Amino acid sequence: NAGVTQTPKFQVLKTGQSMTLQCAQDMNHEYMSWYRQDPGMGLRLIHYSVGAGITDQGEVPNGYNVSRSTTEDFPLRLLSAAPSQTSVYFCASSYSEGREQYFGPGTRLTVT
Amino acid sequence: SQKIEQNSEALNIQEGKTATLTCNYTNYSPAYLQWYRQDPGRGPVFLLLIRENEKEKRKERLKVTFDTTLKQSLFHITASQPADSATYLCARPPPGGGNKLTFGTGTQLKVEL
Repeated sequence: NAGVTQTPKFQVLKTGQSMTLQCAQDMNHEYMSWYRQDPGMGLRLIHYSVGAGITDQGEVPNGYNVSRSTTEDFPLRLLSAAPSQTSVYFCASSYSEGREQYFGPGTRLTVT
Repeated sequence: SQKIEQNSEALNIQEGKTATLTCNYTNYSPAYLQWYRQDPGRGPVFLLLIRENEKEKRKERLKVTFDTTLKQSLFHITASQPADSATYLCARPPPGGGNKLTFGTGTQLKVEL
């Protein structure tokens, strides 16, 4: 099993550009999440999904969109990038509520 | 607010000693707490989960306690090794449970020879 994979590993965007961060898992997990991690702020939940077709907002959802068309994939879309979105983004999945989360390797995004 | 606090100062200890990291939370007591390890440039890795009705949980050299009266969890690494050097994160779910975790900012542990 590859576990949780994320692409790209690094990305530089100009303000106003759009992009999609990809996340995939091969463990047949229903729960998937997107977090951002900033110095001194810790991991903060952006969006969350409990299964295909079901998404919910986390603590910091503004500026990000998600959809979940399959169990395996959970892409995160930035429609118009802003410098405040410069961060490291982690995708995670878990088998069920209350179980451990498996994290991907992260995407380091810089918005200039 | 869903506040969860960890000591932001790095903890430096000597090899072989026991490292103790603290996670304090406010307001409600969670159904469980999770502890993760994060190495530089990598995603967090799950270590232990302790439920509110468990006072203590062990896994090899790791031990976690959960004190709902003090609103605190302690994470211990016994016989610490330089390879244990990393940042350790604690996380709790919202009231009533669920997977929308709130993470602490983490405590960096450095184990010196």
